[in-house]
Amino acid sequence: EIVLTQSPATLSLSPGERATLSCRASQGVTTYLAWYQQKPGQAPRLLIYDASNRATGIPARFSGSGSGTDFTLTISSLEPEDFAVYYCQQRNNWPLTFGGGTKVEIK
Amino acid sequence: EVQLVESGGGLVQPGGSLRLSCAASAFTFSGYCMAWVRQAPGKGLEWVANIKKDGSDEYYVESVKGRFTISRDNAKNSLYLQMSSLRAEDTAVYYCARVLLSHISSPFDYWGQGTLVTVSS
Repeated sequence: EIVLTQSPATLSLSPGERATLSCRASQGVTTYLAWYQQKPGQAPRLLIYDASNRATGIPARFSGSGSGTDFTLTISSLEPEDFAVYYCQQRNNWPLTFGGGTKVEIK
Repeated sequence: EVQLVESGGGLVQPGGSLRLSCAASAFTFSGYCMAWVRQAPGKGLEWVANIKKDGSDEYYVESVKGRFTISRDNAKNSLYLQMSSLRAEDTAVYYCARVLLSHISSPFDYWGQGTLVTVSS
């Protein structure tokens, strides 16, 4: 099973700041990595798939990069609605696995 | 607007069974692989199972193999999760999700609102 480790666990930032979230895989997943956003009481929302492709309707301030074992989700300038928990997920191997999440909170 | 609406959750005793349903609308259901993903209270996301467009193949996380069965009825635009031999650790919100791309392991682009399953005596 591929283990995804997300860091940091919590990121405290102010609106307008840049957020950089990391996801590290225990073995290579090529570019088969996705990012989701989840707000309290809501279902997750797909942001990025296959490492760098924005899903439909996702603002350009969200970008993804990386390949192999190291991936990054960048939010270029945080909007108030971006404070949430973010999960990465790999689809290179079964079972599909998610990271433990990074909470982006208001500083 | 794509909609996925889960139902069937509730309180069940350990060892019991439950069947979850997911009603899909506003897209060609038979054209997409589908999935179940769960989230224990206050915890992260855990993938449970995927099923191919025509129901011909299924994949499961190890912890539910032999206990859970994913299925679909394309004529009814519905996805199901039959759960048996339930354990306390199966307690979670269960989400129905649509698979984005044609490959069965692709990410999930639409999610339902979830249905809570609580396993407790």
